[in-house]
Amino acid sequence: GAGVSQSPSNKVTEKGKDVELRCDPISGHTALYWYRQSLGQGLEFLIYFQGNSAPDKSGLPSDRFSAERTGGSVSTLTIQRTQQEDSAVYLCASSLGGPPDTQYFGPGTRLTVL
Amino acid sequence: EDQVTQSPEALRLQEGESSSLNCSYTVSGLRGLFWYRQDPGKGPEFLFTLYSAGEEKEKERLKATLTKKESFLHITAPKPEDSATYLCAVQARQAGTALIFGKGTTLSVSS
Repeated sequence: GAGVSQSPSNKVTEKGKDVELRCDPISGHTALYWYRQSLGQGLEFLIYFQGNSAPDKSGLPSDRFSAERTGGSVSTLTIQRTQQEDSAVYLCASSLGGPPDTQYFGPGTRLTVL
Repeated sequence: EDQVTQSPEALRLQEGESSSLNCSYTVSGLRGLFWYRQDPGKGPEFLFTLYSAGEEKEKERLKATLTKKESFLHITAPKPEDSATYLCAVQARQAGTALIFGKGTTLSVSS
């Protein structure tokens, strides 16, 4: 079946603007993750959703970052008042169940904040 | 602190020249170790999951092994299309839900 999809693939925005990034997980996967990959850095965990449970937000770097998952499927990551240091590739992953099930990644959204 | 270290950072091979990539980890309670391949501009592509020391997995020219302190990704007779960045990640009991990633090994295979 289809893999994880993300949109947009690229986003250029001005400092101070808000942005929304979308993730469609693999159908039937109950767990969804967001990661950030900055140039020269490893993947950094942001947030985790599992079914109807409260999300694990422990990786969000500031209160400008938030995410929601509607209907247990599609997720949106929102960054408010973007800063230049937010420039990175934002990756979404899904897994059939929670950890340690294998996570399958989408193609990512490259965010550039000018 | 949970930590994953990959070596070398970069590796250049001739086509057919076998080698190994290393992933050393220091975590409290390993729940799983994962290998991914990442091509430029794309998301990580899943390769293998290993859950316990002694476990081995194979796929085409790749073989992953796991001990209590490290994992190896062996590449036998590589081809240019194997050129990519290989990422290692661990799921640790104390780390909660996050995968902890190494910074990767960038492999270049020339013909």
